[in-house]
Amino acid sequence: SQQGEEDPQALSIQEGENATMNCSYKTSINNLQWYRQNSGRGLVHLILIRSNEREKHSGRLRVTLDTSKKSSSLLITASRAADTASYFCATVAATDSWGKFQFGAGTQVVVTP
Amino acid sequence: DTEVTQTPKHLVMGMTNKKSLKCEQHMGHRAMYWYKQKAKKPPELMFVYSYEKLSINESVPSRFSPECPNSSLLNLHLHALQPEDSALYLCASSPYMGQGLAKNIQYFGAGTRLSVL
Repeated sequence: SQQGEEDPQALSIQEGENATMNCSYKTSINNLQWYRQNSGRGLVHLILIRSNEREKHSGRLRVTLDTSKKSSSLLITASRAADTASYFCATVAATDSWGKFQFGAGTQVVVTP
Repeated sequence: DTEVTQTPKHLVMGMTNKKSLKCEQHMGHRAMYWYKQKAKKPPELMFVYSYEKLSINESVPSRFSPECPNSSLLNLHLHALQPEDSALYLCASSPYMGQGLAKNIQYFGAGTRLSVL
């Protein structure tokens, strides 16, 4: 079963705008990761935030984590057409010794020039 | 080299065929994964190998048979598939599996697009 829920399911913006998507999860975690998937391709790791971190930046990406609300957000600033992709959050339940990923449902982002 | 290579990129097979998907990584990773992904859905875990031993089988039908010949290679043997098995099959690897450390990033191949007729 998928632990994570993401919203919105789809997001359409113009180049230069910011894109924000959210991920919620159900159990305690050790870290949360965000992945990007271009159409019909594999997933690419974007950023990892540990459970004791509240915010992390990487280039145009900003991730926040609120463990009390069991939620995370991914902000892409100054979007480009190349950011068009699906974005998935991935968590591993803290009690899962196997470390199996639980993916969110994903947010499809379309950036138009 | 952070690449996971999957072959073939596309595969069309009949329900009576036998085919294999291949995955290769040279990052020294000891955990390798097979995922199935339907359109507009997240990947679903199928199998995990850790140190070349099958560690997780997510109740996958026996018409899917994984194999890990060595630490760099992962195969998925397909036999008597159903049309509903048509999907993107993704291979991934990570340095290890489990919760040993906070980081356990997975590296994905580009996938094999499988169509079962």
